[in-house]
Amino acid sequence: GAGVSQTPSNKVTEKGKYVELRCDPISGHTALYWYRQSLGQGPEFLIYFQGTGAADDSGLPNDRFFAVRPEGSVSTLKIQRTERGDSAVYLCASSPGGGLSYEQYFGPGTRLTVT
Amino acid sequence: AQKITQTQPGMFVQEKEAVTLDCTYDTSDPSYGLFWYKQPSSGEMIFLIYQGSYDQQNATEGRYSLNFQKARKSANLVISASQLGDSAMYFCAMREGTSNTGKLIFGQGTTLQVKP
Repeated sequence: GAGVSQTPSNKVTEKGKYVELRCDPISGHTALYWYRQSLGQGPEFLIYFQGTGAADDSGLPNDRFFAVRPEGSVSTLKIQRTERGDSAVYLCASSPGGGLSYEQYFGPGTRLTVT
Repeated sequence: AQKITQTQPGMFVQEKEAVTLDCTYDTSDPSYGLFWYKQPSSGEMIFLIYQGSYDQQNATEGRYSLNFQKARKSANLVISASQLGDSAMYFCAMREGTSNTGKLIFGQGTTLQVKP
């Protein structure tokens, strides 16, 4: 079946602009996660959805970052007033549930460059 | 605070030999899971193996095995019979079970290069 998909694959934007990054999880997966990966580093957690609600948003760096998952499937990560420090690969992952042993299936990522 | 440490920034191994990638972790939660992921240069994260904190036996998946030493808080990945396609970045990650967060905490990663 289809894996996790993310669009766009690349996004270049100017400092101060607004961007939206989209994630399509694997069908039927109730848990969805957003991570951010800087060059040469491991992914850093941003937010976790169980169904439509954000179960844990403790990783969002500040109030410029916001994510939604209105129908419990597709999720959008929104970044306002982008800064050069926001440049990174944004990874989305999904899993069948929130259980401890569930592996998270990752998408290919969106590479965001803020100029 | 939960933390994952991978102390080997880069490793080399000869094709067909075994290699061990180190990972230590820190948590106060008695229930946790440990994961290893592979990230080739193409960028996708590929799940390799999982070990639960209460599992009595070390996890194995094909050529991958996890050397779990709970008292030492280490979860080293062993890759047997290395192949050229194993060249990639490898990440150790942990998830705590008691909190309802679901998040994975990743280490800094180890770059593995397999020599022909």
